[in-house]
Amino acid sequence: EPEVTQTPSHQVTQMGQEVILRCVPISNHLYFYWYRQILGQKVEFLVSFYNNEISEKSEIFDDQFSVERPDGSNFTLKIRSTKLEDSAMYFCASSDLRGSGEQYFGPGTRLTVT
Amino acid sequence: AQSVTQPDIHITVSEGASLELRCNYSYGATPYLFWYVQSPGQGLQLLLKYFSGDTLVQGIKGFEAEFKRSQSSFNLRKPSVHWSDAAEYFCAVDMNTGFQKLVFGTGTRLLVSP
Repeated sequence: EPEVTQTPSHQVTQMGQEVILRCVPISNHLYFYWYRQILGQKVEFLVSFYNNEISEKSEIFDDQFSVERPDGSNFTLKIRSTKLEDSAMYFCASSDLRGSGEQYFGPGTRLTVT
Repeated sequence: AQSVTQPDIHITVSEGASLELRCNYSYGATPYLFWYVQSPGQGLQLLLKYFSGDTLVQGIKGFEAEFKRSQSSFNLRKPSVHWSDAAEYFCAVDMNTGFQKLVFGTGTRLLVSP
């Protein structure tokens, strides 16, 4: 069964450093998403991406964040200058349909900012 | 603001007993409704979803959920819980803006006792 993959599974970085979280969505999917889950809290939407542009973003997704689909398979989330409060599990998801399509989630990348 | 409430943070159920996890949403129209399960170290797996039609929906692993418009609820049920059902369960709402931005509840952790 096709699945969404994410690398790395765990990333430790120092405050102020840039990080790039990588995702490989399911190959025929067209809609891509990033969510995050701070430890002990709920999963929060960050951004959705379609046709090489952001379709919606949350207030969390400020200028420090960016997303990119650099090639036909990868989907990345970049945090330019990490803060302690960016420590969280970051989930990538993809779907093949707008609105009614199921979002398939990856296993997540745990980001720890020290 | 739109929100999803899962009033039970933890629930403990004996193996073989029935289960009901509560979910209420606050939204002006009928959204798309989802239940996801997250096992430790895993991503989010879709159990079931409601878009329209029959208000009782069947999902994977023997789960079902009932949409009650009058109560703005979408409770998850299982008639007989197995030890492998121990996990965190998230109710999520898509406000039907077109790009499936999911709003999650805070989750309910299910513990299964022998």
